[in-house]
Amino acid sequence: GAVVSQHPSRVICKSGTSVKIECRSLDFQATTMFWYRQFPKKSLMLMATSNEGSKATYEQGVEKDKFLINHASLTLSTLTVTSAHPEDSSFYICSARGGFSEQYFGPGTRLTVT
Amino acid sequence: GQQLNQSPQSMFIQEGEDVSMNCTSSSIFNTWLWYKQDPGEGPVLLIALYKAGELTSNGRLTAQFGITRKDSFLNISASIPSDVGIYFCAGHNNDMRFGAGTRLTVKP
Repeated sequence: GAVVSQHPSRVICKSGTSVKIECRSLDFQATTMFWYRQFPKKSLMLMATSNEGSKATYEQGVEKDKFLINHASLTLSTLTVTSAHPEDSSFYICSARGGFSEQYFGPGTRLTVT
Repeated sequence: GQQLNQSPQSMFIQEGEDVSMNCTSSSIFNTWLWYKQDPGEGPVLLIALYKAGELTSNGRLTAQFGITRKDSFLNISASIPSDVGIYFCAGHNNDMRFGAGTRLTVKP
Protein backbone atom coordinates (compact mmCIF):
# COMPACT_ATOMS: atom_id res chain seq x y z
CA GLY A 1 0.00 0.00 0.00
CA ALA A 2 0.90 3.65 -0.24
CA VAL A 3 2.95 5.22 2.57
CA VAL A 4 2.02 8.34 4.46
CA SER A 5 4.28 9.82 7.11
CA GLN A 6 3.46 12.28 9.84
CA HIS A 7 5.75 14.43 11.92
CA PRO A 8 6.11 14.82 14.81
CA SER A 9 4.66 11.66 16.32
CA ARG A 10 4.33 13.33 19.71
CA VAL A 11 4.45 16.95 20.77
CA ILE A 12 3.95 18.69 24.07
CA CYS A 13 3.44 22.43 24.02
CA LYS A 14 2.44 25.17 26.39
CA SER A 15 -0.96 26.79 26.27
CA GLY A 16 -1.02 29.73 23.90
CA THR A 17 1.69 28.50 21.57
CA SER A 18 1.22 27.18 18.04
CA VAL A 19 2.10 23.73 16.79
CA LYS A 20 2.66 22.56 13.22
CA ILE A 21 2.07 18.98 12.14
CA GLU A 22 3.32 17.73 8.78
CA CYS A 23 1.78 15.03 6.64
CA ARG A 24 3.67 13.62 3.67
CA SER A 25 2.79 11.08 1.01
CA LEU A 26 6.06 9.26 0.38
CA ASP A 27 5.44 7.20 -2.73
CA PHE A 28 2.48 8.79 -4.47
CA GLN A 29 1.10 12.18 -5.31
CA ALA A 30 -1.74 13.08 -3.00
CA THR A 31 -4.29 15.23 -4.76
CA THR A 32 -6.39 15.28 -1.63
CA MET A 33 -5.36 15.17 2.01
CA PHE A 34 -7.57 14.85 5.04
CA TRP A 35 -7.10 15.79 8.66
CA TYR A 36 -8.84 13.88 11.43
CA ARG A 37 -9.02 14.20 15.16
CA GLN A 38 -9.54 11.21 17.39
CA PHE A 39 -10.52 11.23 21.05
CA PRO A 40 -9.73 8.23 23.26
CA LYS A 41 -11.79 5.17 22.34
CA LYS A 42 -13.68 7.13 19.70
CA SER A 43 -13.87 7.04 15.93
CA LEU A 44 -12.14 9.39 13.55
CA MET A 45 -13.65 12.84 13.28
CA LEU A 46 -12.99 14.56 9.96
CA MET A 47 -11.77 18.11 10.50
CA ALA A 48 -11.00 19.27 7.00
CA THR A 49 -10.28 18.23 3.44
CA SER A 50 -7.61 19.91 1.38
CA ASN A 51 -6.85 19.73 -2.30
CA GLU A 52 -3.43 20.69 -3.53
CA GLY A 53 -3.21 24.37 -4.32
CA SER A 54 -6.60 25.35 -3.01
CA LYS A 55 -8.14 26.31 0.30
CA ALA A 56 -9.17 23.59 2.69
CA THR A 57 -12.81 22.73 3.24
CA TYR A 58 -13.61 22.55 6.93
CA GLU A 59 -16.26 20.42 8.56
CA GLN A 60 -19.00 22.12 10.51
CA GLY A 61 -17.85 23.19 13.94
CA VAL A 62 -14.13 23.22 13.10
CA GLU A 63 -12.58 26.67 13.42
CA LYS A 64 -10.56 27.39 10.30
CA ASP A 65 -8.64 30.22 11.99
CA LYS A 66 -7.57 27.89 14.76
CA PHE A 67 -6.68 24.90 12.63
CA LEU A 68 -4.74 26.26 9.68
CA ILE A 69 -4.23 23.84 6.83
CA ASN A 70 -1.82 24.26 3.97
CA HIS A 71 -1.54 21.83 1.07
CA ALA A 72 1.16 23.53 -0.94
CA SER A 73 2.43 20.50 -2.86
CA LEU A 74 1.21 17.10 -3.99
CA THR A 75 3.16 15.40 -1.24
CA LEU A 76 2.85 17.70 1.75
CA SER A 77 0.06 19.10 3.87
CA THR A 78 0.48 20.87 7.19
CA LEU A 79 -1.91 21.45 10.06
CA THR A 80 -1.10 24.29 12.42
CA VAL A 81 -2.94 24.43 15.71
CA THR A 82 -2.79 28.10 16.64
CA SER A 83 -2.90 29.39 20.21
CA ALA A 84 -3.31 25.88 21.51
CA HIS A 85 -5.29 25.19 24.65
CA PRO A 86 -5.53 22.05 26.78
CA GLU A 87 -8.83 21.11 25.12
CA ASP A 88 -6.94 20.86 21.82
CA SER A 89 -5.00 17.92 23.23
CA SER A 90 -5.84 14.97 21.05
CA PHE A 91 -4.60 12.46 18.50
CA TYR A 92 -4.43 14.06 15.07
CA ILE A 93 -4.26 11.81 12.02
CA CYS A 94 -3.83 12.75 8.40
CA SER A 95 -4.69 10.69 5.38
CA ALA A 96 -3.97 11.07 1.70
CA ARG A 97 -5.58 10.01 -1.53
CA GLY A 98 -4.17 10.01 -5.03
CA GLY A 99 -5.95 8.96 -8.19
CA PHE A 100 -7.83 6.21 -6.37
CA SER A 101 -10.62 5.97 -3.86
CA GLU A 102 -8.61 4.47 -0.97
CA GLN A 103 -7.27 6.75 1.70
CA TYR A 104 -3.96 5.93 3.34
CA PHE A 105 -3.38 7.14 6.85
CA GLY A 106 -0.37 8.55 8.59
CA PRO A 107 0.72 7.14 11.95
CA GLY A 108 -0.83 10.04 13.86
CA THR A 109 0.44 12.83 16.11
CA ARG A 110 -0.28 12.91 19.82
CA LEU A 111 -0.64 16.55 20.89
CA THR A 112 -0.58 17.44 24.57
CA VAL A 113 -1.14 21.05 25.57
CA THR A 114 -0.12 21.90 29.10
CA GLY B 1 -24.02 13.39 6.66
CA GLN B 2 -24.18 9.74 5.77
CA GLN B 3 -24.12 7.59 8.91
CA LEU B 4 -22.51 4.21 9.18
CA ASN B 5 -23.70 1.84 11.88
CA GLN B 6 -20.97 -0.57 12.85
CA SER B 7 -21.52 -3.52 15.14
CA PRO B 8 -20.64 -4.92 17.49
CA GLN B 9 -18.99 -2.13 19.45
CA SER B 10 -16.63 -4.55 21.12
CA MET B 11 -15.82 -8.25 21.12
CA PHE B 12 -13.95 -10.45 23.56
CA ILE B 13 -12.98 -13.76 22.02
CA GLN B 14 -10.70 -16.69 22.60
CA GLU B 15 -7.68 -17.22 20.39
CA GLY B 16 -8.62 -19.48 17.49
CA GLU B 17 -12.23 -18.32 17.26
CA ASP B 18 -13.71 -16.71 14.19
CA VAL B 19 -14.94 -13.11 14.28
CA SER B 20 -17.58 -11.30 12.32
CA MET B 21 -18.41 -7.60 12.27
CA ASN B 22 -20.57 -5.53 9.98
CA CYS B 23 -21.53 -2.08 8.85
CA THR B 24 -24.83 -0.82 7.55
CA SER B 25 -25.89 2.47 6.10
CA SER B 26 -29.06 4.17 5.00
CA SER B 27 -27.15 5.44 1.95
CA ILE B 28 -25.51 3.69 -0.94
CA PHE B 29 -21.73 3.70 -1.18
CA ASN B 30 -19.57 3.12 -4.24
CA THR B 31 -16.69 1.68 -2.24
CA TRP B 32 -16.47 -0.04 1.12
CA LEU B 33 -13.21 -0.28 3.01
CA TRP B 34 -12.06 -1.91 6.21
CA TYR B 35 -9.24 -0.54 8.34
CA LYS B 36 -7.49 -1.73 11.49
CA GLN B 37 -6.04 0.64 14.06
CA ASP B 38 -3.52 -0.42 16.67
CA PRO B 39 -3.20 1.71 19.84
CA GLY B 40 -1.36 4.97 19.18
CA GLU B 41 -1.17 4.35 15.44
CA GLY B 42 -3.04 5.45 12.35
CA PRO B 43 -5.55 3.10 10.67
CA VAL B 44 -4.14 0.64 8.17
CA LEU B 45 -6.14 -0.41 5.14
CA LEU B 46 -7.06 -4.11 5.23
CA ILE B 47 -9.48 -4.62 2.37
CA ALA B 48 -11.14 -2.40 -0.23
CA LEU B 49 -14.32 -3.46 -2.05
CA TYR B 50 -15.46 -1.84 -5.26
CA LYS B 51 -18.45 -3.78 -6.60
CA ALA B 52 -21.76 -4.81 -5.10
CA GLY B 53 -21.62 -8.47 -4.16
CA GLU B 54 -17.82 -8.55 -4.24
CA LEU B 55 -16.18 -10.96 -1.81
CA THR B 56 -12.49 -10.36 -1.16
CA SER B 57 -9.97 -12.12 1.05
CA ASN B 58 -6.69 -10.97 2.54
CA GLY B 59 -5.14 -13.87 4.41
CA ARG B 60 -7.46 -14.78 7.28
CA LEU B 61 -9.66 -11.78 6.54
CA THR B 62 -12.68 -11.88 4.27
CA ALA B 63 -14.94 -8.96 3.48
CA GLN B 64 -18.03 -8.57 1.34
CA PHE B 65 -19.69 -5.61 -0.31
CA GLY B 66 -23.42 -6.04 0.20
CA ILE B 67 -25.58 -6.47 -2.85
CA THR B 68 -27.67 -3.42 -1.90
CA ARG B 69 -24.45 -1.36 -1.57
CA LYS B 70 -25.64 -0.32 1.87
CA ASP B 71 -23.72 -2.81 3.96
CA SER B 72 -20.50 -4.75 4.33
CA PHE B 73 -19.12 -7.37 6.66
CA LEU B 74 -15.64 -8.40 7.72
CA ASN B 75 -14.77 -11.88 8.95
CA ILE B 76 -11.56 -12.90 10.66
CA SER B 77 -10.91 -16.61 10.84
CA ALA B 78 -8.82 -18.41 13.47
CA SER B 79 -8.05 -15.25 15.45
CA ILE B 80 -4.62 -14.71 16.97
CA PRO B 81 -3.48 -12.28 19.69
CA SER B 82 -2.11 -9.76 17.18
CA ASP B 83 -5.60 -9.33 15.74
CA VAL B 84 -6.30 -7.14 18.77
CA GLY B 85 -7.20 -3.60 17.81
CA ILE B 86 -10.02 -1.43 16.55
CA TYR B 87 -11.56 -2.24 13.19
CA PHE B 88 -13.26 0.52 11.25
CA CYS B 89 -15.50 0.23 8.25
CA ALA B 90 -15.63 3.12 5.82
CA GLY B 91 -17.92 3.95 2.96
CA HIS B 92 -16.76 6.13 0.12
CA ASN B 93 -18.58 8.21 -2.46
CA ASN B 94 -17.15 11.69 -2.93
CA ASP B 95 -15.85 11.60 0.60
CA MET B 96 -15.32 8.89 3.16
CA ARG B 97 -17.41 8.18 6.23
CA PHE B 98 -16.30 5.93 9.06
CA GLY B 99 -18.12 3.61 11.37
CA ALA B 100 -17.63 3.98 15.11
CA GLY B 101 -15.30 0.98 15.22
CA THR B 102 -15.29 -2.52 16.67
CA ARG B 103 -12.81 -3.05 19.48
CA LEU B 104 -11.49 -6.61 19.34
CA THR B 105 -9.82 -8.32 22.28
CA VAL B 106 -8.34 -11.77 21.80
CA LYS B 107 -7.57 -13.86 24.86
CA PRO B 108 -4.69 -16.31 24.45
